[in-house]
Amino acid sequence: KNEVEQSPQNLTAQEGEFITINCSYSVGISALHWLQQHPGGGIVSLFMLSSGKKKHGRLIATINIQEKHSSLHITASHPRDSAVYICAVRGGDDKIIFGKGTRLHILP
Amino acid sequence: NAGVTQTPKFRVLKTGQSMTLLCAQDMNHEYMYWYRQDPGMGLRLIHYSVGEGTTAKGEVPDGYNVSRLKKQNFLLGLESAAPSQTSVYFCASSYSNGGGYTFGSGTRLTVV
Repeated sequence: KNEVEQSPQNLTAQEGEFITINCSYSVGISALHWLQQHPGGGIVSLFMLSSGKKKHGRLIATINIQEKHSSLHITASHPRDSAVYICAVRGGDDKIIFGKGTRLHILP
Repeated sequence: NAGVTQTPKFRVLKTGQSMTLLCAQDMNHEYMYWYRQDPGMGLRLIHYSVGEGTTAKGEVPDGYNVSRLKKQNFLLGLESAAPSQTSVYFCASSYSNGGGYTFGSGTRLTVV
């Protein structure tokens, strides 16, 4: 079993829909990262979380340390949000473990 | 701001050839990392550095070497390329061990 599991693997939605991507992990962590990889391949860091919730524009990230779960939400989704979203956790040994990513496609 | 710059962006190698990938950052970050990304798999750490003159092995170090002679540069070397090293390589840097990452745009390497 992978130490970082993301769901769904693929998601197609209509423009304007509220999007939720989930990340569950099985190890103790010191931080969790959400990354965005666009079709061109570049990777951008969206959030780093160790507790609670963070918001940036239409993106919201939450983490529940007790349940070892994080969610990334996108409000009022837009075709330009189409990308692969990657969850990564930093374990207690400082090792970083990446999820396999969630491929999001927003239809106009 | 340039951020993290990787060169080259694309390369095709023949089996057994050698090459060096260059990563340069202008943010004065202490930590630098080399990852590879393969279809159906998450990013995997090859080597990393916690400061100038230091390097350490990551999850998949075999077949690669690295050097960090200057704080701003992190070089990844393939001494004798193999088809299994066909991948997309990403460099990243961070200001601290738990800090946010800045990624380069990637290098697509094909070994034939």
